Amino acid sequence: EPEVTQTPSHQVTQMGQEVILRCVPISNHLYFYWYRQILGQKVEFLVSFYNNEISEKSEIFDDQFSVERPDGSNFTLKIRSTKLEDSAMYFCASSEWVDYNEQFFGPGTRLTVL
Amino acid sequence: SQQGEEDPQALSIQEGENATMNCSYKTSINNLQWYRQNSGRGLVHLILIRSNEREKHSGRLRVTLDTSKKSSSLLITASRAADTASYFCATGANSKLTFGKGITLSVRP
Repeated sequence: EPEVTQTPSHQVTQMGQEVILRCVPISNHLYFYWYRQILGQKVEFLVSFYNNEISEKSEIFDDQFSVERPDGSNFTLKIRSTKLEDSAMYFCASSEWVDYNEQFFGPGTRLTVL
Repeated sequence: SQQGEEDPQALSIQEGENATMNCSYKTSINNLQWYRQNSGRGLVHLILIRSNEREKHSGRLRVTLDTSKKSSSLLITASRAADTASYFCATGANSKLTFGKGITLSVRP
């Protein structure tokens, strides 16, 4: 069964450093998403991406964040200058379409900012 | 405004019993999805119900949606110890899902 994959599973970085989280969405899916979950809190939407453009983004997704689909398979989230409060589990998701389509999530990348 | 608020926050049942979890939301939605998350792991999609549907079944899962009351319920029948996890409802509108805080379900063997 096809699934969303994410690398790395755990990333430790120093405050102020740049990190890139990688995702490989399900191959025939057209919409891609990033969410995050701070320990003990809700899963929060960050951004959705379709046709090489951001479709929607949340207030969390400020200028420190960017997304890219550098090739036909990968979808990346870059945090330019990490802060302590960026420590969270980051989930990538994809869906075949929007509205009435299930979003399938990857296993997550646990980001720890020291 | 908050969306997808589940109740109860925690539920403990005996294996074989049914588990009912509820979710309420505030704004208009296109769909509502239920997910399961085992401790420290990813989100597993369970079931999606569209805003024009009232009930849906998948195996031991039954989901209802009442758009007039802005509420949904997830019923897991004949629960198993392996059902122990956190369960989240997520409301879909446009391209994003808005999650609740989740319900911790413990199924005692």
